[in-house]
Amino acid sequence: GAVVSQHPSRVICKSGTSVKIECRSLDFQATTMFWYRQFPKQSLMLMATSNEGSKATYEQGVEKDKFLINHASLTLSTLTVTSAHPEDSSFYICSATQDRGYGYTFGSGTRLTVV
Amino acid sequence: DAKTTQPTSMDCAEGRAANLPCNHSTISGNEYVYWYRQIHSQGPQYIIHGLKNNETNEMASLIITEDRKSSTLILPHATLRDTAVYYCIVRAAGGYQKVTFGTGTKLQVIP
Repeated sequence: GAVVSQHPSRVICKSGTSVKIECRSLDFQATTMFWYRQFPKQSLMLMATSNEGSKATYEQGVEKDKFLINHASLTLSTLTVTSAHPEDSSFYICSATQDRGYGYTFGSGTRLTVV
Repeated sequence: DAKTTQPTSMDCAEGRAANLPCNHSTISGNEYVYWYRQIHSQGPQYIIHGLKNNETNEMASLIITEDRKSSTLILPHATLRDTAVYYCIVRAAGGYQKVTFGTGTKLQVIP
């Protein structure tokens, strides 16, 4: 089955620094990937749609200059949280689909803690 | 995506069937019903999906009403490992449709 690998699983960084999270489709090519953020006891909130070879599409209210998304290949999308602050601490999850219109596979998530 | 409504939480005794309802009264004809679950601090896991016929796989069964305005996910013999938040989602087939999540149902399986 389709596998999506997300790395790192946990990261602690200092306020003001940047953190990169990788999302890889291991056994399939993903033209489109999605990035979500989840705060404790809340549902997943879609942040952006990552498109291979083009700019990401951000949801309303998500700062594109703060959450940089790069989708340079068909198997890798990265999310960089720039100038991180404690309020950016959250659980970040990516997803991708193997087939057009069918189910999405999710990564295992990245727990970001900004201190 | 069409909106869905689910109960906030449910309890189920271990070994019994867990029936999780979902209302999607504004579903369109080309939209599928998907179910995912999320165990604490993990990414969501796909369970099952369907269009209008009932579906069954090794994890669960999906019952969709004839008018397609609601569905029920059935875990036939719930175990403690089934404790999770269950999300019902509707989305159209074709293209790379973004998926938005509602609040889901927190299922607690009780020993």
